[in-house]
Amino acid sequence: GENVEQHPSTLSVQEGDSAVIKCTYSDSASNYFPWYKQELGKGPQLIIDIRSNVGEKKDQRIAVTLNKTAKHFSLHITETQPEDSAVYFCAASMGYSTLTFGKGTMLLVSP
Amino acid sequence: GAGVSQTPSNKVTEKGKYVELRCDPISGHTALYWYRQSLGQGPEFLIYFQGTGAADDSGLPNDRFFAVRPEGSVSTLKIQRTERGDSAVYLCASSLTGGGGETQYFGPGTRLLVL
Repeated sequence: GENVEQHPSTLSVQEGDSAVIKCTYSDSASNYFPWYKQELGKGPQLIIDIRSNVGEKKDQRIAVTLNKTAKHFSLHITETQPEDSAVYFCAASMGYSTLTFGKGTMLLVSP
Repeated sequence: GAGVSQTPSNKVTEKGKYVELRCDPISGHTALYWYRQSLGQGPEFLIYFQGTGAADDSGLPNDRFFAVRPEGSVSTLKIQRTERGDSAVYLCASSLTGGGGETQYFGPGTRLLVL
């Protein structure tokens, strides 16, 4: 089955800096890659996603890039704010619905 | 509109007991998923319903776990003879049709603690 590796496990940045989280996946058949943000005591919330026919997608301060050849994708957050502090999960899916998640990255943005 | 809701939000039980966890998906969503999230880990897939039927139950860890969705809306995850290792957050998600690449909307989860 699919295996998703996520790095780093923790990331501390100063407010205003950029943050980058990287994921790799194992199955070349995967074609859908969402990113979720999870705050303490809450369920994961989708923040951005990308499909295999697209190399990059941007939504305000958040962007995701996908390299299908290398089987890796990354989340980029610019101009970080304290409210960006949370756990971020990447996931991969092989054309039907089941998601395989990475282990998460705890992002801490210090004022 | 209302999101995915799960009840109870917290459940404490004793080893060997039976528990039921409930999920109310977003109205009109035909696809429903259960995941389990252990401390410090990402969600792990348990079972996926398309309407009333379980389309994929390959993630259920053993036969103590069972889930139903009799009318194609509310789902119940049932755990028999609970073990301490079952302690985790059980997350439910729904999506509109279950098609590939479709956004899954998660509920807040049920935190299960088995003593």
